[in-house]
Amino acid sequence: DADVTQTPRNRITKTGKRIMLECSQTKGHDRMYWYRQDPGLGLRLIYYSFDVKDINKGEISDGYSVSRQAQAKFSLSLESAIPNQTALYFCATSDFYGTEAFFGQGTRLTVV
Amino acid sequence: AQTVTQSQPEMSVQEAETVTLSCTYDTSESNYYLFWYKQPPSRQMILVIRQEAYKQQNATENRFSVNFQKAAKSFSLKISDSQLGDTAMYFCAFIVIQGAQKLVFGQGTRLTINP
Repeated sequence: DADVTQTPRNRITKTGKRIMLECSQTKGHDRMYWYRQDPGLGLRLIYYSFDVKDINKGEISDGYSVSRQAQAKFSLSLESAIPNQTALYFCATSDFYGTEAFFGQGTRLTVV
Repeated sequence: AQTVTQSQPEMSVQEAETVTLSCTYDTSESNYYLFWYKQPPSRQMILVIRQEAYKQQNATENRFSVNFQKAAKSFSLKISDSQLGDTAMYFCAFIVIQGAQKLVFGQGTRLTINP
C-alpha cells in the first residue's frame, strides 16, 4: 500500500458543485500539505498543516478550504468549483525536519 | 519571499548524452534543503537528489549530480549517460529547516530523451 493515498485519482465535476479531495498517510508525519500543479507554474501551495490543530494558508488558498480530521487525514474542499480550478492536485507529508516530502499519486480534477 | 526559478521550460537530448537542468532560488535563510524531483508520465513525484545547504560537497546519486553554488543561490542538476526512462518533468524545490517549513517549487523543466 502507498504511504500517501489520495482519493479520487480522477474526477470530473460541474461548475458550482462542492467537491472534497481526501488524503491519508501511514508515514506517521505531523506535517501535511496540499499543492496544485498547473502547466508552466509548477506546484503551488494551497494549505498546509503542522498538526491537527494547526492549519495555515498557502499562496493560493482562495476558493479552497481544508480539514485535518486526524494526524493521518487531511482533506481539501472546493466549496463551489469553477473551471479555473481544473488542475492536478497533490497531497504531501514531511517529517519535522523537512528532509523529504512524500507525495500521493495526485488527483486530476476537471471542472466543466 | 522564497522563490524558485527554472528558466528552461523544455529540453531535449539524445540518449547517452549529458544534460544539465538549471535552477536558481531566493531565500534570506541560511539553513535549508534543496531537492530535485522527477515526475514521469505516471505523474508520481519521485525524489531524485537532496542537498543540505550547510554541506559544501555536491550531492551525487548514481548518474545524477548537482552543482550547488550557495552564494549564487544556484542548484543545477546534471544527468550523465541519459536514458529513455529519464524522460519526465523535473522540479527544483527547497525547504527552510527552521520556522514555517513550506516546500517551495519551481515551474518545472520538461526533459525528453530521444533514442
